[in-house]
Amino acid sequence: ETGVTQSPTHLIKTRGQQVTLRCSSQSGHNTVSWYQQALGQGPQFIFQYYREEENGRGNFPPRFSGLQFPNYSSELNVNALELDDSALYLCASSQESGTVRTDTQYFGPGTRLTVL
Amino acid sequence: RKEVEQDPGPFNVPEGATVAFNCTYSNSASQSFFWYRQDCRKEPKLLMSVYSSGNEDGRFTAQLNRASQYISLLIRDSKLSDSATYLCVVNGGSGNTGKLIFGQGTTLQVKP
Repeated sequence: ETGVTQSPTHLIKTRGQQVTLRCSSQSGHNTVSWYQQALGQGPQFIFQYYREEENGRGNFPPRFSGLQFPNYSSELNVNALELDDSALYLCASSQESGTVRTDTQYFGPGTRLTVL
Repeated sequence: RKEVEQDPGPFNVPEGATVAFNCTYSNSASQSFFWYRQDCRKEPKLLMSVYSSGNEDGRFTAQLNRASQYISLLIRDSKLSDSATYLCVVNGGSGNTGKLIFGQGTTLQVKP
């Protein structure tokens, strides 16, 4: 086990609703990245949080937003849900510093979101 | 063109076979390369990092060819437990800290 936890494990929402997904990073890790994985596809980078600030963003609209807390845990918020938002949402933790990037990321079990 | 391309398979092989997966990437500035394994409905798990000199971990060998922007994974003596999807992963290139770019994945099914 990686020590990365996510909640909830499953979620069902309807179009137009808002959702918050949570992630706790592995002990000693200060960076959290979020990915969306649609069925049959590889994960796609949404954004990364380092020292409570967004540190890189993929090709996702502004209705995807996030937070990182002082204990390095993180939230992913999605507003105005669309049917295509149905996917497995993965968070990954890593240890980064100002000058050293490890790039090695360890994934949590994911939250499976279904939008009806 | 996708940033990371893999043959989705499936690759169906008998136990004990040797199987090779290939992957190409488009960003020549990429610095880090990985293979992840993903079981059905589970999270990806790091299988191994890939270095220019090539590296081996038991039955698994990974190689990187920067000139051709090509990564490979060789699995020897396949086991039933090797059945999974194998994801080729590169980092987002210089100045793009932390963004991992995943291929679609290659599905391996090892049969008795």
